[in-house]
Amino acid sequence: NAGVTQTPKFRVLKTGQSMTLLCAQDMNHEYMYWYRQDPGMGLRLIHYSVGEGTTAKGEVPDGYNVSRLKKQNFLLGLESAAPSQTSVYFCASSYSLAGFNNEQFFGPGTRLTVL
Amino acid sequence: AQSVTQLDSHVSVSEGTPVLLRCNYSSSYSPSLFWYVQHPNKGLQLLLKYTSAATLVKGINGFEAEFKKSETSFHLTKPSAHMSDAAEYFCVVSPNTGNQFYFGTGTSLTVIP
Repeated sequence: NAGVTQTPKFRVLKTGQSMTLLCAQDMNHEYMYWYRQDPGMGLRLIHYSVGEGTTAKGEVPDGYNVSRLKKQNFLLGLESAAPSQTSVYFCASSYSLAGFNNEQFFGPGTRLTVL
Repeated sequence: AQSVTQLDSHVSVSEGTPVLLRCNYSSSYSPSLFWYVQHPNKGLQLLLKYTSAATLVKGINGFEAEFKKSETSFHLTKPSAHMSDAAEYFCVVSPNTGNQFYFGTGTSLTVIP
């Protein structure tokens, strides 16, 4: 099993450009998440999904959109990139939210720089 | 409300000496608690988790953590640090309701040879 994969690994954008980050998981997990990691701030939740066709806002959703058309994929879009969106983005998935199987599995991250 | 406080942003230990990384949480519900490790330029890897079973939880690589409800703490320990333990460590709480996990700001562990 590949676990959670993310593409691309690195990207440099100019202000105003758009892009989509792809997250894929092969563990048949219902729950998927997008986080951003900034120095000294830990991980902050951008958006999440509790199943195919569903999405919801997290702590820092502004400037991002997401889609979950297939259970195994969770896309994060930036319509008009800003320098404040320079960050490392992590995707995660989990089987459940509570109980025994609620740990999250993380992808390797995407390092995004917006000039 | 849920929150996680990692009391030390940086910890340095000598190789072979004990490690203590501190985490306090607040949660309105009986939570699940996790410790994750992140090595440089890598994703996060689960070290261990507490989900209302035994309060002393053993994880990978010799790490363990004790859930203390009265102190709302979930400190991470290891008896003897190894050079490969140098990394960033995150304490995470899930309230087991709602749809979110809450991350601490991380503790950077340096191991001195």
